[in-house]
Amino acid sequence: DAGVTQSPTHLIKTRGQQVTLRCSPKSGHDTVSWYQQALGQGPQFIFQYYEEEERQRGNFPDRFSGHQFPNYSSELNVNALLLGDSALYLCASSLVPSGRAETQYFGPGTRLLVL
Amino acid sequence: GDSVTQMEGPVTLSEEAFLTINCTYTATGYPSLFWYVQYPGEGLQLLLKATKADDKGSNKGFEATYRKETTSFHLEKGSVQVSDSAVYFCALSLNTGFQKLVFGTGTRLLVSP
Repeated sequence: DAGVTQSPTHLIKTRGQQVTLRCSPKSGHDTVSWYQQALGQGPQFIFQYYEEEERQRGNFPDRFSGHQFPNYSSELNVNALLLGDSALYLCASSLVPSGRAETQYFGPGTRLLVL
Repeated sequence: GDSVTQMEGPVTLSEEAFLTINCTYTATGYPSLFWYVQYPGEGLQLLLKATKADDKGSNKGFEATYRKETTSFHLEKGSVQVSDSAVYFCALSLNTGFQKLVFGTGTRLLVSP
């Protein structure tokens, strides 16, 4: 059973560029969440997708956008990159929200470096 | 807002020592509580969870009890191994609708032989 996969594993961009990160959820999961983990910090929630719609959003600017496809995979797009966007980007998948805390399963992350 | 506070690290122990990593939380509702572990260069792995007060989560010798009266979820292990060296994150999630995890800043554990 494949777990959560993310691509690419590493990425180097320059300020002002745009980047797209990809995530495939664990088999059977239909909800995808994205987190940003700065060096030495805990992950911060960016947003969550279910049924191809953004359902919740954290405290991130509109430069951060996403998409979910009919096969439940997801993309995270970041425009106009800033040095401060350098971080590990984690994707997590879970089952449809049921009102109880569904366990989120994390992928290995994409490490983004902005120069 | 909802938040999680963890003890500062690193925590440095010798193999077979007893481990405690403190975690307290602030939440508007009744959250579920989690411990995740991150090994070097990897993503997060769920270690254990508890969904209501007085629940005890346990896995791989690690335990944590959901204490509503003290808003705490401290992680313990009776005898640590070198392979337990990692960063441990305490997190909460509110049990309503679409859920997001709110993480603490993490505690690095270093176990020496």
